[in-house]
Amino acid sequence: SQTIHQWPATLVQPVGSPLSLECTVEGTSNPNLYWYRQAAGRGLQLLFYSVGIGQISSEVPQNLSASRPQDRQFILSSKKLLLSDSGFYLCAWSGRGTNYGYTFGSGTRLTVV
Amino acid sequence: AQKVTQAQTEISVVEKEDVTLDCVYETRDTTYYLFWYKQPPSGELVFLIRRNSFDEQNEISGRYSWNFQKSTSSFNFTITASQVVDSAVYFCALSEEKSGGGADGLTFGKGTHLIIQP
Repeated sequence: SQTIHQWPATLVQPVGSPLSLECTVEGTSNPNLYWYRQAAGRGLQLLFYSVGIGQISSEVPQNLSASRPQDRQFILSSKKLLLSDSGFYLCAWSGRGTNYGYTFGSGTRLTVV
Repeated sequence: AQKVTQAQTEISVVEKEDVTLDCVYETRDTTYYLFWYKQPPSGELVFLIRRNSFDEQNEISGRYSWNFQKSTSSFNFTITASQVVDSAVYFCALSEEKSGGGADGLTFGKGTHLIIQP
C-alpha cells in the first residue's frame, strides 16, 4: 500500500535561518507531488507541485523553493526564513490518470521566531 | 480560474443534531473532481469523499451524506446524528481534469469549523 511520510512534525526556527522539510512516498512510482501551506485562519494554499524528477511548478512567489531529487522525494526549502513563513505545511501525492485521489502527509508545524 | 466557497466559517450544534456544510464551486472545465476532507485538531487531512463531475448521484456513508448538484454548482455535506468526534474543520476542494491527471493540485475552500457540543 502507498504511504506518505513527512518530517519533522514540529519545528521552531529563528528568523533568517534556513529550512528543509522532507516528504517521501512509498508504494507507488512517478507520483505527482505537492506542497501546501496552511497559515493561521485555516486556508490551504498550494505552493509547489511536481510531475517528475527535477520538474517543479510554483504557484505563489515567495521565500520558499522546492526540489525533487528522486522520484518519490519532495523537499521544501528556504535560505532565510521570515516570520510570515510560519504555518502548517502539508505534503501530498496523487496518482496519474483519471481515477486519482490526493493523499496528504501528517504535516509540519513551523513556527518562525 | 477555479474557486471553492465555504460560506460557513463556524457551525456549532448540540450532539445528535443533523448539520449540513455548504460548498459552492466555480470552474470552466466540464470534467472536474470534488472532494471533502476532515481536519481534526491534530492537523492531518483525512479524505472523506471524491466525486467526479459526471456522477451526480448522492452518496451516503454511514452518518455522512453528500448532495452534488451541478445546476447550482454545489456539493454539500450532511452529518446525521452528529457526535462530538465529528468536531473538526471540514474542507471542500476542487481539482480540474488535466492530461496525465491531477498535476495542478487541489483548490480548497477556507473550511468550516464544526463544533459538536455534548
